[in-house]
Amino acid sequence: DAKTTQPTSMDCAEGRAANLPCNHSTISGNEYVYWYRQIHSQGPQYIIHGLKNNETNEMASLIITEDRKSSTLILPHATLRDTAVYYCIVRVLRTGANNLFFGTGTRLTVIP
Amino acid sequence: KAGVTQTPRYLIKTRGQQVTLSCSPISGHRSVSWYQQTPGQGLQFLFEYFSETQRNKGNFPGRFSGRQFSNSRSEMNVSTLELGDSALYLCASSLAGTGSREQYFGPGTRLTVT
Repeated sequence: DAKTTQPTSMDCAEGRAANLPCNHSTISGNEYVYWYRQIHSQGPQYIIHGLKNNETNEMASLIITEDRKSSTLILPHATLRDTAVYYCIVRVLRTGANNLFFGTGTRLTVIP
Repeated sequence: KAGVTQTPRYLIKTRGQQVTLSCSPISGHRSVSWYQQTPGQGLQFLFEYFSETQRNKGNFPGRFSGRQFSNSRSEMNVSTLELGDSALYLCASSLAGTGSREQYFGPGTRLTVT
């Protein structure tokens, strides 16, 4: 699975959009981009995933560049409860490959 | 639908002892994966079980083992505990199929080895 690079930490004002970048320049054509987050002392939580097209769900939007070498997770209106470590993971979907490789992630702090 | 449950939530053991942790996946989920999280190494994949068979394994010593029962519940065992085994152990479940899209994590078991 391709390696990802994320900033170590970011701050965001409450109510503003939080834009979390991720570089995955060695991504292969069949690898998906996943985002998980981990709120302090809890298990990671799935947020969103995508292959090529931009995706949106009730939690966030995922913007993937046309060359797929980078992506951005957007939390449209950050709240204090969004303070967490956000992990960008690139993986192939195949049987017997449910192992996720978590990097160091981005620690997002939402400021009141 | 109930989420992934893990027991116990907290555990204190002594070096050299062994420990068994339990994970009950979401109803209908047949894949269970285990992860270890430490401040130094972050989140690392231990192994995955599906239909009572281990089908994927991370880079951990043989002291770490697991199993899955016919009801998909899973246990992991660590023998001859070392101080470095102190960690948060997380279990995740997912649907079967050609690459499950989402994994659902439990709250974890925090193991302290003294």
